[in-house]
Amino acid sequence: DAGITQSPRHKVTETGTPVTLRCHQTENHRYMYWYRQDPGHGLRLIHYSYGVKDTDKGEVSDGYSVSRSKTEDFLLTLESATSSQTSVYFCAISEAVDNSPLHFGNGTRLTVT
Amino acid sequence: AQSVTQPDIHITVSEGASLELRCNYSYGATPYLFWYVQSPGQGLQLLLKYFSGDTLVQGIKGFEAEFKRSQSSFNLRKPSVHWSDAAEYFCALRSNDYKLSFGAGTTVTVRA
Repeated sequence: DAGITQSPRHKVTETGTPVTLRCHQTENHRYMYWYRQDPGHGLRLIHYSYGVKDTDKGEVSDGYSVSRSKTEDFLLTLESATSSQTSVYFCAISEAVDNSPLHFGNGTRLTVT
Repeated sequence: AQSVTQPDIHITVSEGASLELRCNYSYGATPYLFWYVQSPGQGLQLLLKYFSGDTLVQGIKGFEAEFKRSQSSFNLRKPSVHWSDAAEYFCALRSNDYKLSFGAGTTVTVRA
Protein backbone atom coordinates (compact mmCIF):
# COMPACT_ATOMS: atom_id res chain seq x y z
CA ASP A 1 0.00 0.00 0.00
CA ALA A 2 1.11 3.52 -0.75
CA GLY A 3 2.44 5.33 2.30
CA ILE A 4 -0.33 7.83 2.93
CA THR A 5 -1.38 8.88 6.41
CA GLN A 6 -4.34 11.11 7.10
CA SER A 7 -4.86 12.78 10.44
CA PRO A 8 -7.04 12.94 12.34
CA ARG A 9 -9.14 9.93 11.36
CA HIS A 10 -12.23 11.35 13.03
CA LYS A 11 -13.13 14.84 14.14
CA VAL A 12 -16.19 16.57 15.48
CA THR A 13 -16.20 20.34 15.45
CA GLU A 14 -18.63 23.20 15.82
CA THR A 15 -19.95 25.47 13.12
CA GLY A 16 -17.74 28.48 12.57
CA THR A 17 -14.50 26.99 13.84
CA PRO A 18 -11.45 26.49 11.63
CA VAL A 19 -10.33 22.92 10.99
CA THR A 20 -7.15 21.58 9.43
CA LEU A 21 -6.75 18.09 8.04
CA ARG A 22 -3.34 16.70 7.29
CA CYS A 23 -2.13 14.32 4.62
CA HIS A 24 1.37 12.90 4.85
CA GLN A 25 3.02 10.73 2.18
CA THR A 26 6.26 8.79 2.15
CA GLU A 27 6.29 8.06 -1.61
CA ASN A 28 7.80 11.34 -2.80
CA HIS A 29 4.98 11.68 -5.35
CA ARG A 30 4.57 15.02 -7.02
CA TYR A 31 0.77 15.20 -7.13
CA MET A 32 -1.49 15.32 -4.09
CA TYR A 33 -5.26 15.71 -3.95
CA TRP A 34 -8.06 16.33 -1.51
CA TYR A 35 -11.46 14.80 -2.26
CA ARG A 36 -14.67 14.73 -0.31
CA GLN A 37 -17.06 11.80 -0.46
CA ASP A 38 -20.78 12.20 0.02
CA PRO A 39 -23.59 9.72 -0.70
CA GLY A 40 -24.84 9.99 -4.25
CA HIS A 41 -21.95 12.18 -5.35
CA GLY A 42 -19.02 9.83 -5.43
CA LEU A 43 -15.77 11.67 -4.81
CA ARG A 44 -15.43 15.31 -5.70
CA LEU A 45 -12.14 17.12 -6.01
CA ILE A 46 -11.61 20.01 -3.59
CA HIS A 47 -8.03 21.08 -4.32
CA TYR A 48 -4.93 19.52 -5.70
CA SER A 49 -1.21 20.19 -5.76
CA TYR A 50 1.28 19.58 -8.54
CA GLY A 51 4.35 20.48 -6.54
CA VAL A 52 5.59 22.33 -3.48
CA LYS A 53 3.65 25.59 -3.20
CA ASP A 54 1.80 24.81 -6.44
CA THR A 55 -1.90 24.25 -5.89
CA ASP A 56 -5.11 24.65 -7.82
CA LYS A 57 -8.84 24.48 -7.22
CA GLY A 58 -11.06 21.54 -7.92
CA GLU A 59 -14.80 21.47 -8.49
CA VAL A 60 -15.88 22.10 -4.87
CA SER A 61 -13.22 24.44 -3.50
CA ASP A 62 -15.42 27.13 -1.87
CA GLY A 63 -14.81 27.31 1.88
CA TYR A 64 -11.55 25.36 1.67
CA SER A 65 -7.91 26.31 1.38
CA VAL A 66 -4.78 24.20 1.06
CA SER A 67 -1.08 24.48 1.60
CA ARG A 68 1.90 22.44 0.57
CA SER A 69 5.17 23.67 2.03
CA LYS A 70 7.02 20.40 1.47
CA THR A 71 6.61 17.42 -0.79
CA GLU A 72 5.31 15.04 1.83
CA ASP A 73 2.59 17.16 3.44
CA PHE A 74 -0.64 18.56 2.05
CA LEU A 75 -2.94 20.41 4.43
CA LEU A 76 -6.63 21.10 3.93
CA THR A 77 -8.17 23.92 5.96
CA LEU A 78 -11.83 24.65 6.44
CA GLU A 79 -11.68 28.32 7.20
CA SER A 80 -15.02 28.45 9.04
CA ALA A 81 -16.65 25.04 9.18
CA THR A 82 -20.29 24.67 8.15
CA SER A 83 -22.66 21.73 8.47
CA SER A 84 -22.52 21.23 4.69
CA GLN A 85 -18.86 20.33 5.11
CA THR A 86 -19.72 17.28 7.15
CA SER A 87 -18.20 14.58 4.98
CA VAL A 88 -15.49 12.01 4.59
CA TYR A 89 -12.30 13.54 3.25
CA PHE A 90 -9.78 11.54 1.27
CA CYS A 91 -6.25 12.43 0.36
CA ALA A 92 -4.69 10.88 -2.72
CA ILE A 93 -1.28 10.93 -4.37
CA SER A 94 0.07 10.13 -7.81
CA GLU A 95 3.26 10.28 -9.79
CA ALA A 96 3.39 12.60 -12.76
CA VAL A 97 3.51 9.92 -15.40
CA ASP A 98 0.89 8.96 -17.94
CA ASN A 99 -0.11 5.60 -16.51
CA SER A 100 -0.11 6.61 -12.87
CA PRO A 101 -3.26 5.92 -10.88
CA LEU A 102 -4.20 7.73 -7.70
CA HIS A 103 -3.51 6.03 -4.41
CA PHE A 104 -5.79 6.92 -1.53
CA GLY A 105 -5.47 7.33 2.18
CA ASN A 106 -8.02 5.85 4.57
CA GLY A 107 -9.99 9.04 4.99
CA THR A 108 -10.96 11.51 7.69
CA ARG A 109 -14.54 11.56 8.88
CA LEU A 110 -15.47 15.13 9.78
CA THR A 111 -18.69 16.07 11.53
CA VAL A 112 -19.65 19.73 11.89
CA THR A 113 -22.35 20.31 14.50
CA ALA B 1 -15.68 19.02 -19.62
CA GLN B 2 -15.30 15.38 -18.72
CA SER B 3 -17.87 13.36 -16.83
CA VAL B 4 -18.42 9.82 -15.65
CA THR B 5 -21.81 8.18 -15.23
CA GLN B 6 -22.57 4.99 -13.37
CA PRO B 7 -26.22 4.28 -14.18
CA ASP B 8 -26.78 1.70 -11.45
CA ILE B 9 -26.84 2.96 -7.87
CA HIS B 10 -27.27 -0.47 -6.32
CA ILE B 11 -26.94 -4.03 -7.64
CA THR B 12 -27.74 -7.24 -5.79
CA VAL B 13 -26.20 -10.45 -7.04
CA SER B 14 -26.12 -14.01 -5.77
CA GLU B 15 -22.83 -15.51 -4.71
CA GLY B 16 -21.35 -17.41 -7.63
CA ALA B 17 -23.27 -15.42 -10.22
CA SER B 18 -21.68 -13.08 -12.71
CA LEU B 19 -21.49 -9.35 -12.17
CA GLU B 20 -21.36 -6.45 -14.59
CA LEU B 21 -21.13 -2.81 -13.53
CA ARG B 22 -21.73 -0.12 -16.10
CA CYS B 23 -19.68 3.00 -16.65
CA ASN B 24 -20.12 5.62 -19.33
CA TYR B 25 -17.85 8.57 -19.86
CA SER B 26 -17.71 11.83 -21.73
CA TYR B 27 -14.31 13.18 -22.71
CA GLY B 28 -12.93 14.86 -25.79
CA ALA B 29 -9.62 13.04 -25.95
CA THR B 30 -8.27 9.56 -25.36
CA PRO B 31 -9.53 8.59 -21.92
CA TYR B 32 -7.51 7.13 -19.13
CA LEU B 33 -9.99 5.06 -17.16
CA PHE B 34 -9.94 3.34 -13.80
CA TRP B 35 -12.09 1.21 -11.57
CA TYR B 36 -11.74 1.46 -7.80
CA VAL B 37 -13.37 -0.52 -5.02
CA GLN B 38 -14.17 0.72 -1.53
CA SER B 39 -15.02 -1.53 1.37
CA PRO B 40 -16.95 0.01 4.27
CA GLY B 41 -14.83 2.40 6.30
CA GLN B 42 -11.87 2.04 3.98
CA GLY B 43 -10.14 4.05 1.34
CA LEU B 44 -10.29 3.29 -2.36
CA GLN B 45 -8.32 0.44 -3.85
CA LEU B 46 -7.40 0.35 -7.52
CA LEU B 47 -8.89 -2.65 -9.36
CA LEU B 48 -7.64 -1.95 -12.87
CA LYS B 49 -6.78 0.75 -15.36
CA TYR B 50 -6.96 1.38 -19.09
CA PHE B 51 -4.66 3.65 -21.04
CA SER B 52 -4.28 2.23 -24.51
CA GLY B 53 -3.81 -1.00 -26.40
CA ASP B 54 -5.87 -4.07 -25.64
CA THR B 55 -9.42 -3.02 -24.86
CA LEU B 56 -9.95 -5.87 -22.40
CA VAL B 57 -7.95 -5.25 -19.25
CA GLN B 58 -7.44 -7.58 -16.35
CA GLY B 59 -7.32 -6.45 -12.78
CA ILE B 60 -6.99 -7.76 -9.29
CA LYS B 61 -9.48 -10.02 -7.50
CA GLY B 62 -10.60 -11.63 -10.77
CA PHE B 63 -12.10 -8.47 -12.26
CA GLU B 64 -11.83 -7.36 -15.86
CA ALA B 65 -13.12 -4.40 -17.82
CA GLU B 66 -13.73 -3.74 -21.46
CA PHE B 67 -13.20 -0.38 -23.11
CA LYS B 68 -15.59 0.38 -25.97
CA ARG B 69 -14.84 3.68 -27.62
CA SER B 70 -17.91 3.56 -29.86
CA GLN B 71 -20.16 3.30 -26.81
CA SER B 72 -18.07 5.52 -24.51
CA SER B 73 -18.18 2.73 -21.98
CA PHE B 74 -15.83 0.96 -19.63
CA ASN B 75 -17.85 -1.79 -17.96
CA LEU B 76 -16.48 -3.90 -15.13
CA ARG B 77 -17.14 -7.63 -14.98
CA LYS B 78 -16.49 -10.62 -12.80
CA PRO B 79 -17.54 -14.14 -13.83
CA SER B 80 -18.33 -15.43 -10.34
CA VAL B 81 -18.74 -13.15 -7.34
CA HIS B 82 -17.71 -13.96 -3.81
CA TRP B 83 -19.31 -12.59 -0.65
CA SER B 84 -16.16 -10.51 -0.14
CA ASP B 85 -16.94 -8.58 -3.34
CA ALA B 86 -19.71 -6.71 -1.54
CA ALA B 87 -18.52 -3.12 -1.66
CA GLU B 88 -18.92 0.14 -3.49
CA TYR B 89 -17.35 0.45 -6.91
CA PHE B 90 -16.26 3.64 -8.60
CA CYS B 91 -15.40 4.31 -12.20
CA ALA B 92 -13.04 7.22 -12.81
CA LEU B 93 -11.59 9.17 -15.70
CA ARG B 94 -8.29 10.99 -15.62
CA SER B 95 -7.86 14.18 -17.58
CA ASN B 96 -4.57 15.28 -19.06
CA ASP B 97 -3.85 17.52 -16.05
CA TYR B 98 -3.75 14.44 -13.80
CA LYS B 99 -7.06 15.13 -12.08
CA LEU B 100 -9.47 12.25 -11.57
CA SER B 101 -13.25 12.57 -12.05
CA PHE B 102 -15.41 9.92 -10.41
CA GLY B 103 -18.81 8.47 -11.05
CA ALA B 104 -21.31 8.43 -8.19
CA GLY B 105 -20.57 4.79 -7.45
CA THR B 106 -22.42 1.48 -7.52
CA THR B 107 -23.05 -0.45 -4.33
CA VAL B 108 -22.90 -4.21 -4.74
CA THR B 109 -24.71 -6.50 -2.33
CA VAL B 110 -23.96 -10.23 -2.48
CA ARG B 111 -26.63 -12.62 -1.22
CA ALA B 112 -25.90 -16.16 -0.17
